Amino acid sequence: AQSVTQLDSQVPVFEEAPVELRCNYSSSVSVYLFWYVQYPNQGLQLLLKYLSGSTLVESINGFEAEFNKSQTSFHLRKPSVHISDTAEYFCAVRNGGTSYGKLTFGQGTILTVHP
Amino acid sequence: GAGVSQSPRYKVAKRGQDVALRCDPISGHVSLFWYQQALGQGPEFLTYFQNEAQLDKSGLPSDRFFAERPEGSVSTLKIQRTQQEDSAVYLCASSLGEGQMTYEQYFGPGTRLTVT
Repeated sequence: AQSVTQLDSQVPVFEEAPVELRCNYSSSVSVYLFWYVQYPNQGLQLLLKYLSGSTLVESINGFEAEFNKSQTSFHLRKPSVHISDTAEYFCAVRNGGTSYGKLTFGQGTILTVHP
Repeated sequence: GAGVSQSPRYKVAKRGQDVALRCDPISGHVSLFWYQQALGQGPEFLTYFQNEAQLDKSGLPSDRFFAERPEGSVSTLKIQRTQQEDSAVYLCASSLGEGQMTYEQYFGPGTRLTVT
């Protein structure tokens, strides 16, 4: 069975500081990896995904994540955060061998950006 | 249409009542998923539909939970004889295709169920 561990439940940072949200997964098969963001009172939105190819993936708003197979990690980073990045972030994994996209999520990390 | 919609957004039920939660997926999306998100936790898979066929219901926590998608579009998640532990946000997601095309799921805003 797959599992996803997000090592930090809450991450407070100051505006314009760098941030890393950590995610580790366990799976015995190939996986697809995702980061979702959830703003207050809104649904989950896909932030970025790793399916294959380059292990470094980027989002349109400056976040990036690197797939590290040997360490089974998919940490999310941003070099300079904004107040508007305050949200809860979820790492998720999909078994690459399944024919449909059932996701296993981590517990979530609340990112709070302070002015 | 716009995105995935869910109704009601909030539901308060007395213990023992039955509830029905509705999901309207994005038009044309073949795949539909239900997830349960308890307070302070990540979403957990409940069940999956491909068109009208329920292909996986391994995540349904008990036989009080029942889901259907009779015409391959709108889906309803029904919980019978609600218990306090059923209190959670119920999320619906849809995706365009099947097989390798299902990697991007679009989520609705969820229904927050509170059982008193």
